[in-house]
Amino acid sequence: VQLVQSGAEVKKPGESLKISCQVSGYSFSNYWIGWVRQMPGKGLEWLGIIYPGDSDTRYSPSFQGQVTISADKSINTAYLQWSSLKASDTAMYYCARRTTAMAFDYWGQGSQVTVSS
Amino acid sequence: DIQMTQSPSSVAASVGDRVTITCRASQAISSWLAWYQQKPGKAPKLLIYAASTLQSGVPSRFSGSGSGTDFTLTISSLQPEDFATYFCQRAHSFPLFGGGTKVEIK
Repeated sequence: VQLVQSGAEVKKPGESLKISCQVSGYSFSNYWIGWVRQMPGKGLEWLGIIYPGDSDTRYSPSFQGQVTISADKSINTAYLQWSSLKASDTAMYYCARRTTAMAFDYWGQGSQVTVSS
Repeated sequence: DIQMTQSPSSVAASVGDRVTITCRASQAISSWLAWYQQKPGKAPKLLIYAASTLQSGVPSRFSGSGSGTDFTLTISSLQPEDFATYFCQRAHSFPLFGGGTKVEIK
């Protein structure tokens, strides 16, 4: 099982961004994939989760409307996107596979997003 | 809103020490709790799920216990590779992480 995320991004406030998480080694459609934020020197925050099988998506109330999560089954890839970035979006973002025990057993390596004018 | 509170926020220990980290949920969550280890610059690693089930490949010096609102992660004999930050997580359709406990070298 591998989750491979897209590389580091440096963007300006107001710009859009879509980062990716490509999985291999298991059936992409059959496991929920979550996204987790870690701001510099801080803890872990859950943004939302998607079930690629039917694209059922749930968001943390804290991030509803701030980000969009999607998936493309044809290329085993999940996405996290922003329409208008803010400096406060600067963080490391991880994707992770969720098990039936509701824990995250496999994680991507992380995508660093830096938003600065 | 439910809160997950970890204590202590940091602990200094020596190799061979027994280390215990506590996680308290503000509402009962049965055994729906997971523990993760994170080293600097790395993704979190799942250690324990369902409060006490060791993830495959995780050394047996790690153990978890508790149910309801109070949970503990114990490292029975601290090894050099165990110096890291540990997070608990409410294992739920809306997950919530604790603030983390940094295990440092004494």
